[in-house]
Amino acid sequence: EPEVTQTPSHQVTQMGQEVILRCVPISNHLYFYWYRQILGQKVEFLVSFYNNEISEKSEIFDDQFSVERPDGSNFTLKIRSTKLEDSAMYFCASKGQVRSDTQYFGPGTRLTVL
Amino acid sequence: DAKTTQPTSMDCAEGRAANLPCNHSTISGNEYVYWYRQIHSQGPQYIIHGLKNNETNEMASLIITEDRKSSTLILPHATLRDTAVYYCIVLMKTSYDKVIFGPGTSLSVIP
Repeated sequence: EPEVTQTPSHQVTQMGQEVILRCVPISNHLYFYWYRQILGQKVEFLVSFYNNEISEKSEIFDDQFSVERPDGSNFTLKIRSTKLEDSAMYFCASKGQVRSDTQYFGPGTRLTVL
Repeated sequence: DAKTTQPTSMDCAEGRAANLPCNHSTISGNEYVYWYRQIHSQGPQYIIHGLKNNETNEMASLIITEDRKSSTLILPHATLRDTAVYYCIVLMKTSYDKVIFGPGTSLSVIP
């Protein structure tokens, strides 16, 4: 069964450093998403991406964040200058070829900012 | 998106059916009921969804009331691996439909 995959599974970084979290969505999916979950809290929407542009973003997704689909398979989330409060699980999700398809989530990347 | 209300936590004996209720009294006609679950900080896992009719797949059954104001997710024979947080979510499928997660129901399957 096709799955969303994410790398790395755990990323440790120093405050102020840049990190790139990588996702490989399900093949042929066209809609892509990033969510995050701070320990003990709810899963929160960050950004949705379709047709090579951001379709929606939350208040969390400020200028420190950016997304990119650099090739036909990867979808990345970059945090330019990490803060302690960016420590969280980051989940990538993808959805099929029409808006009515179901969204599937990856296993997540645990980001720890020291 | 319409809001949903779920019990904070539930217990279920292993091997018994787990019935997880959800209220979505403000759901509109073109909104679907989705269920996801999250096992201990893993990625949310899609379970099932429906619009009006009851649905069944290999994981669960979804019973939606006739007025669509509430629904029940049924895990027919709960196992220890079904211990997770279960999220009932209402989505308009014609949008880019970001999934808005509430607190969900923490289901504990007890041996």
